[in-house]
Amino acid sequence: EDQVTQSPEALRLQEGESSSLNCSYTVSGLRGLFWYRQDPGKGPEFLFTLYSAGEEKEKERLKATLTKKESFLHITAPKPEDSATYLCAVQALKQGGSEKLVFGKGTKLTVNP
Amino acid sequence: NAGVTQTPKFQVLKTGQSMTLQCAQDMNHNSMYWYRQDPGMGLRLIYYSASEGTTDKGEVPNGYNVSRLNKREFSLRLESAAPSQTSVYFCASKRTAYSNQPQHFGDGTRLSIL
Repeated sequence: EDQVTQSPEALRLQEGESSSLNCSYTVSGLRGLFWYRQDPGKGPEFLFTLYSAGEEKEKERLKATLTKKESFLHITAPKPEDSATYLCAVQALKQGGSEKLVFGKGTKLTVNP
Repeated sequence: NAGVTQTPKFQVLKTGQSMTLQCAQDMNHNSMYWYRQDPGMGLRLIYYSASEGTTDKGEVPNGYNVSRLNKREFSLRLESAAPSQTSVYFCASKRTAYSNQPQHFGDGTRLSIL
């Protein structure tokens, strides 16, 4: 069964204190791994797609990396506005195609000024 | 450019009442999706529509029906609401089904069933 586990569940950082969020996955053939940001009362906002091990994507203070078993979202010198819940999702490669995204439960990040 | 728009934003129902949640996208996407999000659980797919004229069950379809009204609109109906359906419902769209393109989400409908 396809599974996504995110850790930690919650993370508190001081402004400027860099850290990483983890997304471990088990899937029978990875078609894509997605990172989303979700603010309270809002829908998930797309950040990155990673397709193969070794791939990296960057956007402002965020950098996503991918290995064969996990993905990391590195946050460099975070600011209070980076506070949000970060969701990881994987799409499996299935015979005949698949529309199922398997989501993790998310990591709630709080950045204190 | 609004993206994915969901209405209503909030709703309270009594057990047994019916309700239709509306979703519209203006990105000319072919595929549309309905998810529910519950505390302590990841987003779960209820139904999806790979293209206009088609709909398919997701992971948790029981108690729901959907209609793909046209390319832009995809509605979710609860025929007889139950307290277990209290949740936040998200609609999403994607350019092409069965691809590894990202899905884009609306801001949700918060539904409480008493």
